[in-house]
Amino acid sequence: GIQVEQSPPDLILQEGANSTLRCNFSDSVNNLQWFHQNPWGQLINLFYIPSGTKQNGRLSATTVATERYSLLYISSSQTTDSGVYFCAVDTNSGGSNYKLTFGKGTLLTVNP
Amino acid sequence: NAGVTQTPKFRVLKTGQSMTLLCAQDMNHEYMYWYRQDPGMGLRLIHYSVGEGTTAKGEVPDGYNVSRLKKQNFLLGLESAAPSQTSVYFCASSPSGARGYTFGSGTRLTVV
Repeated sequence: GIQVEQSPPDLILQEGANSTLRCNFSDSVNNLQWFHQNPWGQLINLFYIPSGTKQNGRLSATTVATERYSLLYISSSQTTDSGVYFCAVDTNSGGSNYKLTFGKGTLLTVNP
Repeated sequence: NAGVTQTPKFRVLKTGQSMTLLCAQDMNHEYMYWYRQDPGMGLRLIHYSVGEGTTAKGEVPDGYNVSRLKKQNFLLGLESAAPSQTSVYFCASSPSGARGYTFGSGTRLTVV
């Protein structure tokens, strides 16, 4: 099956700093999503981004499908950005068996 | 709207006991998924369903069974619990599979 690798595994920032999280995948994908898991365990969908660039406030994401990677940018980080960021992909090009394969995540800690 | 509701939120089982985890969604989603999350492993797919009455195996299905008798409910069963099944279990649903994942708040299961 497809391999999803995220880097770095851990990241510690001071409030106000910027960061870039990376997701590499081993095969062509039709679906790529970024999720944030807050310190209480809740998983929130951040971006659906199989290709191109999207922005939502201080967060933006870029996927270069031809080179099999995606980047999540966090600008002016806040303590509420702390948590685990997951990249998840699906390679299904047809049919109905859509399912996401997750990377192991990046643990982000933003200190005040 | 409640979204995706998982019950129970916490449970401690003895080795060999059985139990059922319930996932209920009120968004009329076709797709439902069960994942387990272990430290450093990300989320791994156990079983999933692409519609009422259907189920399929994911990445780590051994020791688990599922049923989707009603569109809104997806049950995960452990017939004979083992310590290796100690984990946090997440249910998710989506309208089309490709995007729009909504996660429940998780069930923390400990098998002693």
